Order: sequence, then C-alpha cells, then structure tokens
Amino acid sequence: AQKVTQAQTEISVVEKEDVTLDCVYETRDTTYYLFWYKQPPSGELVFLIRRNSFDEQNEISGRYSWNFQKSTSSFNFTITASQVVDSAVYFCALSESRSSASKIIFGSGTRLSIRP
Amino acid sequence: DAGVIQSPRHEVTEMGQEVTLRCKPISGHDYLFWYRQTMMRGLELLIYFNNNVPIDDSGMPEDRFSAKMPNASFSTLKIQPSEPRDSAVYFCASSYGGNQPQHFGDGTRLSIL
Repeated sequence: AQKVTQAQTEISVVEKEDVTLDCVYETRDTTYYLFWYKQPPSGELVFLIRRNSFDEQNEISGRYSWNFQKSTSSFNFTITASQVVDSAVYFCALSESRSSASKIIFGSGTRLSIRP
Repeated sequence: DAGVIQSPRHEVTEMGQEVTLRCKPISGHDYLFWYRQTMMRGLELLIYFNNNVPIDDSGMPEDRFSAKMPNASFSTLKIQPSEPRDSAVYFCASSYGGNQPQHFGDGTRLSIL
C-alpha cells in the first residue's frame, strides 16, 4: 500500500533562513510519481512539482529545490533564503502508475511559518 | 485560462438538509477528483472520474454522499442528509491524463449546524 509521511508537523524559521521539508514515501510499484503542493493561508492548493520514479536528478526552481533519493524513499523540499510569502502548508504526495489508477495520496502536510 | 471553478465558496446549512457542491473542471481535462479536507483527517480523496465515468469511490464516507459527472464540464457532490461531521472544505481538482498534476479549485467551505 502507498503511504506518504511528513514527520514535521510545523516548522518556524526566521526570514532568510534555509529550510528543508522532509517527505518519506512507501510504495511497492517501480513506477510512481511524487508531487509537492503548497496551500497558502488563502486556502487554495497550488501545484509545485512532479517527479517520476526514474528521474532522480535534483530539481531547482529559483529558491526552491527538491532532492529525490530512491535509496531512502525520500523526496525532500528545500527553500533557500526563505521569505514571509513562503508561509504555507506544504503537502507531499504520491501516485502509483497503474493501468487506470490516478489516485494521489497526500501526506499530512507541514505547516511552515516564516517570521520577519 | 479559467481554472477549476467551484460553487458555492461557502455553505452554511442545518443538519438534515441536502447539500450540493458543484465543480467545473478545466476544459480538456479528462480526470476529475473530489477531496475533503479537515484538521483531523487531512486531505482525503473521496472519488474520481475519468472521462465522466466514476473510477474509484472507495473514499466516499457513506451512502449519504453521492457524486455525478453528467458531462465533461460539470460535476456535483451531494450530501443527503447532511450531518455536523460533514463540515469541511471540499475541493474539486482536474488533470489532463492520469498521474499528472492536479489543478485544484478554491474549495467550498461547508458548515453543517
């Protein structure tokens, strides 16, 4: 069965600090997809990144970077030089690739607070 | 481009009443998902459709919940009769293809008194 664990319930850092959000997943499939979503205080869910299981290259997008390591079943998310606008709940999610399945299982989320 | 559109944004009603939530997916998307978000249970997938056909409704809490997708541009989630424990934010999302990024609506905040 698939499972996503975000052990950090809440993180609070001072602006400009770097912060890493952890994500550990479980799956029996060899082909799967990992996602990160952001939910700001306004409530909407915003897609950040999708990564397939065959691509372990790290990804960087501005101040955001993602470290995918199959050996430890982790897909961690780092924000460099954090800003107050980064304050949000961040969800890691997993989808297994089966013939017609498209269920995404979300982790419980990490609430990130950036203090000025 | 218009995103996923949900209505109403907020709904307050008394227990026992019928509640209907509506969703218009992004044009061209062939998957539609209904989620419920609560503090206690987080984000839960209730049901999803592919090409208007329900594929997996194993997350629907009980028979009081039903969902339909009569065409590619409209879906409803109905609760009848509603109960206070149904209070939550309900999200609709759509995607083009399976295992693709899902685009979420702004959600419907439902309060059952």
